Amino acid sequence: TQLLEQSPQFLSIQEGENLTVYCNSSSVFSSLQWYRQEPGEGPVLLVTVVTGGEVKKLKRLTFQFGDARKDSSLHITAAQPGDTGLYLCAGARPTGFQKLVFGTGTRLLVSP
Amino acid sequence: NAGVTQTPKFQVLKTGQSMTLQCAQDMNHNSMYWYRQDPGMGLRLIYYSASEGTTDKGEVPNGYNVSRLNKREFSLRLESAAPSQTSVYFCASSDQDRVYTIYFGEGSWLTVV
Repeated sequence: TQLLEQSPQFLSIQEGENLTVYCNSSSVFSSLQWYRQEPGEGPVLLVTVVTGGEVKKLKRLTFQFGDARKDSSLHITAAQPGDTGLYLCAGARPTGFQKLVFGTGTRLLVSP
Repeated sequence: NAGVTQTPKFQVLKTGQSMTLQCAQDMNHNSMYWYRQDPGMGLRLIYYSASEGTTDKGEVPNGYNVSRLNKREFSLRLESAAPSQTSVYFCASSDQDRVYTIYFGEGSWLTVV
């Protein structure tokens, strides 16, 4: 059972465009993380959000955690070719040992 | 600055063969994990070890076994490989605290023919 659905699955845009990736669930998470993965490598953590409604900015990337802690979004402003990669969201369950549940991933291609 | 190191990077197996994927971390983390990644499926947890001396099943444990050899090392064994186990395998580690951060290895590409 996939608890975290990401949309869109694929996104191909031109350099300079803005985009938003969504991560949705019917489950509540104690925290939610975003990772970026490049070909041939493991996922690398971008950000962790822990409070409902929290907004974090990382240069041109803005991450938001939903008020109910069930969803999140990643917004990229003025995308660059270096942003190309697979973006994964992952949620930590609110109780017990915190195993991460990963989303299905969004593959982003930014063309010059 | 090694982080999480896993071997081998690439492996081709015949159906029915066995093999072990090795993983070691140098960050003194308590928890370690094995994930598999398949197209369109994201990352799925196979097994995890919350602390040295313990192991537990994740979402997709069938066909796999694990050993937490010590605090640094966590191995994944395929006893009788099947084509359905063709995948990219990632080892990861974390130090469990409220703000949960997990570090991944570079992956092992396994093909079962």
